[in-house]
Parts: sequence; C-alpha cells; structure tokens
Amino acid sequence: DGGITQSPKYLFRKEGQNVTLSCEQNLNHDAMYWYRQDPGQGLRLIYYSQIVNDFQKGDIAEGYSVSREKKESFPLTVTSAQKNPTAFYLCASSIGLGMWTEAFFGQGTRLTVV
Amino acid sequence: DQQVKQNSPSLSVQEGRISILNCDYTNSMFDYFLWYKKYPAEGPTFLISISSIKDKNEDGRFTVFLNKSAKHLSLHIVPSQPGDSAVYFCAASATNTDKLIFGTGTRLQVFP
Repeated sequence: DGGITQSPKYLFRKEGQNVTLSCEQNLNHDAMYWYRQDPGQGLRLIYYSQIVNDFQKGDIAEGYSVSREKKESFPLTVTSAQKNPTAFYLCASSIGLGMWTEAFFGQGTRLTVV
Repeated sequence: DQQVKQNSPSLSVQEGRISILNCDYTNSMFDYFLWYKKYPAEGPTFLISISSIKDKNEDGRFTVFLNKSAKHLSLHIVPSQPGDSAVYFCAASATNTDKLIFGTGTRLQVFP
C-alpha cells in the first residue's frame, strides 16, 4: 500500500527540548512538505523540499529545521527556539518537479509542549 | 501576508441544497488550485483541482469554478449531504515552484 506515514500520532515534550517528527512516503514523490495547523489559522507552510538534499523555507520556518537525505524521508525538528510549538503538524508529498498534481497528506502529529 | 484567503470561517447548509465555498488569492503567478476536505485530527484529503487554463472542473457532486480576472475560485457541492460536514481548504501553487499555499479553511455544516 502506497502512502505517507507520520509518527508518532501524539507527542509530549518538555519546554526547551528539541523534538523530531518523522515523515516517510513510499509514493516515489519528489516533493515533500511540512505544515502546521493552529485553530483559525489554516495550514501554514513550514518547509518544503523539491528534491533530495534540497529544501526551502516556507512562511513560518523560524524555530524549525529539516533534512532531506533520502527521497522517502523528510523529518522535521522542532527546536527550543520555536516560541509556540504546541500544534498539529502535517506532512505531505506530491510528484513535484513543477507538475500540476495534488499533494497527499499523512495523518498528522499532535505535539504538546508542557 | 495571506496569499490565499477564505473569508468565511463557517457555513451552514441544509441537506440537499447547494454549498458554495469561496476562496480568493493575491498572487497572479498561481496557476493551479486545489480543494481539500479535512476532518478533526486527520490529514486533509484531496477533493478536486483546476488549472488556470480552465474556468470550470466538475467531479460528481463537486464543481470548482475559477475566475482569473477576479482571482477568485469557488467550490460548489450539490446536493449537500451530512457527510460533507468538514473543514474545506483551498490551496494554490505556481508552475515549477512546487510550493503549495493553503487558505485558512471554511467549516461546512450540513444539517438535515
């Protein structure tokens, strides 16, 4: 079954700790994305990657970091510099390469920082 | 700067009637538009898309209209069903960028 998998579904961390959210896809997609959802704010783009070993900042990249060492994987690290990290995080992928196509989403990770 | 806007946070429609969800964008480089449906605590699922070379795309009960001069698109659902109750997001992308920008969403409630 092809798809995009985020883990874990729920994550709790203490304030000041870095935390890494996993995103894996077996769709052979080139483009991958991380979004954050807050109530009333829609989906805001954190980072996206069009190809392995390359990524670009989205609209709210501050306090986050990513890597794209493999085509299948696009982990997101929420650093201690992120002032309000508690949110619902969504990873997505698309064929990419500038082609018109839909993005497929994972089921999300809800991060709570206490 | 919100490049994709959904100005109605919520919409309530009676079952069987038409639901019209609206979306406006500011970036004239956008040339591909999508609508997604989202339930709480789940990832969005793709509904329908339209490229800027068209002004209408239809798929079953869902039709998307694009007015490029007004930088406006709308999603029509007819007839509306209770199972359509969800949050709907429009999204936009520009050719060769792969960057996908979402609106703030509209919560649709379809009541019997």
